[in-house]
Amino acid sequence: KAGVTQTPRYLIKTRGQQVTLSCSPISGHRSVSWYQQTPGQGLQFLFEYFSETQRNKGNFPGRFSGRQFSNSRSEMNVSTLELGDSALYLCASSLDRGLYGYTFGSGTRLTVV
Amino acid sequence: QQQVKQSPQSLIVQKGGISIINCAYENTAFDYFPWYQQFPGKGPALLIAIRPDVSEKKEGRFTISFNKSAKQFSLHIMDSQPGDSATYFCAASNTGNQFYFGTGTSLTVIP
Repeated sequence: KAGVTQTPRYLIKTRGQQVTLSCSPISGHRSVSWYQQTPGQGLQFLFEYFSETQRNKGNFPGRFSGRQFSNSRSEMNVSTLELGDSALYLCASSLDRGLYGYTFGSGTRLTVV
Repeated sequence: QQQVKQSPQSLIVQKGGISIINCAYENTAFDYFPWYQQFPGKGPALLIAIRPDVSEKKEGRFTISFNKSAKQFSLHIMDSQPGDSATYFCAASNTGNQFYFGTGTSLTVIP
């Protein structure tokens, strides 16, 4: 059974640019959640999508957005990048809301310079 | 404001010893408490989880102890092994609407 695939693994962007990250969940999982991981802050919830609809959103500015496609694949977009956006972005796939456990991808390491 | 507070930040244990990581929460609406294990370069992986209707759950060498009145829960790793060296995160959720993670504990098990 294939795991959660996130692409790309690494990204280096300049302040002010925008970036799109991709996540392919486990087959059959319709819920995709995104988290930002930084040292000292742990994992911070960005948003969750289920059947192409955003169900929940964390406390991040509007520069962070996402979407989910009919095949459950999800993308996350960050516009007008700031240095503080440098982090590991994790995608988590689950049957429904993670109540039976998330399966995380290995993440995309974003560095903003 | 950190919804789930985790301690210690780092932990060093001898092989064969017991590793204990603690978490505390404030929101009494939380009803699901998982623990995740993360190795360098990998995403977190679900280790064990508990719901507030039980006070303890054991899976192999890993045990969650849950104290509802104190709003605390902890992970015990018995007979700790070098392969257990990783970062551990506790988390809490209210019906899965949003998960709040602790800041992580870096565990090192010395051979």
